[in-house]
Amino acid sequence: LAKTTQPISMDSYEGQEVNITCSHNNIATNDYITWYQQFPSQGPRFIIQGYKTKVTNEVASLFIPADRKSSTLSLPRVSLSDTAVYYCLVVFVTSGTYKYIFGTGTRLKVLA
Amino acid sequence: GAVVSQHPSWVICKSGTSVKIECRSLDFQATTMFWYRQFPKQSLMLMATSNEGSKATYEQGVEKDKFLINHASLTLSTLTVTSAHPEDSSFYICSAELSGSYEQYFGPGTRLTVT
Repeated sequence: LAKTTQPISMDSYEGQEVNITCSHNNIATNDYITWYQQFPSQGPRFIIQGYKTKVTNEVASLFIPADRKSSTLSLPRVSLSDTAVYYCLVVFVTSGTYKYIFGTGTRLKVLA
Repeated sequence: GAVVSQHPSWVICKSGTSVKIECRSLDFQATTMFWYRQFPKQSLMLMATSNEGSKATYEQGVEKDKFLINHASLTLSTLTVTSAHPEDSSFYICSAELSGSYEQYFGPGTRLTVT
């Protein structure tokens, strides 16, 4: 059964680095991992996407170990405006069809 | 770049009526678009995947005759909730896939309330 799991919530203080992990044991060989940020009553916003090792852009880094059974989104020096729900999205191949499954979401609260 | 719009942003309708939601990719062409549903404090659940010019692929448990999806062009997909009932009240979000990238870009969502 395809499944992605994330911690339900995390608290952090402004200026700290935050790492959010997503577990995806059944990920397929050629599938990508994507992370999104969502504010209340808005659509998810693309943060970063990766396949293996490490990817970095202007807002985040994504670390993916060799076995690809998990991935970690790293947000450097968070601010109050980073308070949101963060989701990983993984594509699973099941019986020859692709299934796009969002993680359970991690509610990040940044404190002053 | 990669902007997706949805219309309307919210809608209230009476039980038994139908509601159409539009999803447009504004600055790119999208061969594949997706429709999701999200209940309060829950994750997004994929309802269906639509490819331009062909029939949508529905996820298990989603009634295709109730949630009609049309993807007539590379920039427009529509979701019609037919004979809506209060249990269909939810936040509906579409996304469009940037060709060749596996990146999905999401619309702002449509909040449907059925009374």
